[in-house]
Amino acid sequence: NAGVTQTPKFQVLKTGQSMTLQCAQDMNHEYMSWYRQDPGMGLRLIHYSVGAGITDQGEVPNGYNVSRSTTEDFPLRLLSAAPSQTSVYFCASSVGVLGEKLFFGSGTQLSVL
Amino acid sequence: AQSVSQHNHHVILSEAASLELGCNYSYGGTVNLFWYVQYPGQHLQLLLKYFSGDPLVKGIKGFEAEFIKSKFSFNLRKPSVQWSDTAEYFCAVFNTNAGKSTFGDGTTLTVKP
Repeated sequence: NAGVTQTPKFQVLKTGQSMTLQCAQDMNHEYMSWYRQDPGMGLRLIHYSVGAGITDQGEVPNGYNVSRSTTEDFPLRLLSAAPSQTSVYFCASSVGVLGEKLFFGSGTQLSVL
Repeated sequence: AQSVSQHNHHVILSEAASLELGCNYSYGGTVNLFWYVQYPGQHLQLLLKYFSGDPLVKGIKGFEAEFIKSKFSFNLRKPSVQWSDTAEYFCAVFNTNAGKSTFGDGTTLTVKP
């Protein structure tokens, strides 16, 4: 019972590099979202999706792209990494589109040098 | 804009002490309310939730929360904390109209044995 799987768990990038954080869920959830967690700021919503082919911006979308070509996958792309994107990233999913009972992945710790 | 305020950033208690963590939100429409917990080294998990009905909800591990609509509050309580309750606690509000979750900044609870 995998739930929400995030990869990688840790990543170090140089400024300007691009990369994709992977998120997959096997619960057939319609709703998926990406958060970043910074000290003293709690979780902030980056992007979310209410179903395949549908994405929308959250609170802090700049510097990130997402796509939702399948129900299972919701990758987060950093186009040109910046030190301000050093953070812990959480992917989450939930049944339906109301976001109740969020299931979180284990997080990706990203450092941008 | 919707916001969630958790009044205490860090709470330190001795075992068997009673706990109350404050949470207030700003949105006046229909909301779903949550408390999440993140134990050291683990990802977030749901502690309890309120959608409708009895405003006093009970969650796992002896936690409960009371929704007071007139005060826009959803405080978390536990009559007697244990050392294993040491964790980060997040209050979250889901705006059912916008389809977005907003998290508070989190409260770090340290329980001394």
